[in-house]
Amino acid sequence: DTGVSQNPRHKITKRGQNVTFRCDPISEHNRLYWYRQTLGQGPEFLTYFQNEAQLEKSRLLSDRFSAERPKGSFSTLEIQRTEQGDSAMYLCASIGTGDYEQYFGPGTRLTVT
Amino acid sequence: DAKTTQPPSMDCAEGRAANLPCNHSTISGNEYVYWYRQIHSQGPQYIIHGLKNNETNEMASLIITEDRKSSTLILPHATLRDTAVYYCIVRGGAAGNKLTFGGGTRVLVKP
Repeated sequence: DTGVSQNPRHKITKRGQNVTFRCDPISEHNRLYWYRQTLGQGPEFLTYFQNEAQLEKSRLLSDRFSAERPKGSFSTLEIQRTEQGDSAMYLCASIGTGDYEQYFGPGTRLTVT
Repeated sequence: DAKTTQPPSMDCAEGRAANLPCNHSTISGNEYVYWYRQIHSQGPQYIIHGLKNNETNEMASLIITEDRKSSTLILPHATLRDTAVYYCIVRGGAAGNKLTFGGGTRVLVKP
């Protein structure tokens, strides 16, 4: 068990470019969450998956955002046509059936210039 | 999920107990109190949770008032590595529910 991993750890992109982040949850964890955290604020929920099914999306997840978890293992979060307001830390967390603790990854810090 | 209120910041002396308060006056009967912390540049880390009884683990103790409208997280012997933002979260009974973070308490442990 190596914990939740996220790649890349840092991403700098120019406004208007597309970016994709990857999250590898703890193996056998069936639920996977994405959160976004801006400077000085607590994390905000974006979306979550149970296995490969995306069960809930926050209103924060605009049409430019899309998330997938094709085989119920790793997940990707894509942001199209990035804007400066997308600059934030993107956190992934996973939890197994019957668990009470969400395990968070180290996050991907996105800077849009 | 019920809203929580925490002081924005507090200082603590190394080696002393740190008592972090949280108000959750609108908590309902099936909602748990969770505490997470976030050390700078890391993802949040689970600390402890409880429903109505006091709880203790290797990291901390959680004291919940009898009316469940407030709670206190106790770090018994704070170390410099406990410097972090501490989040008190109230969450419904299903363990897989999303977490709703507030602003948290920024705790600075001083030597």
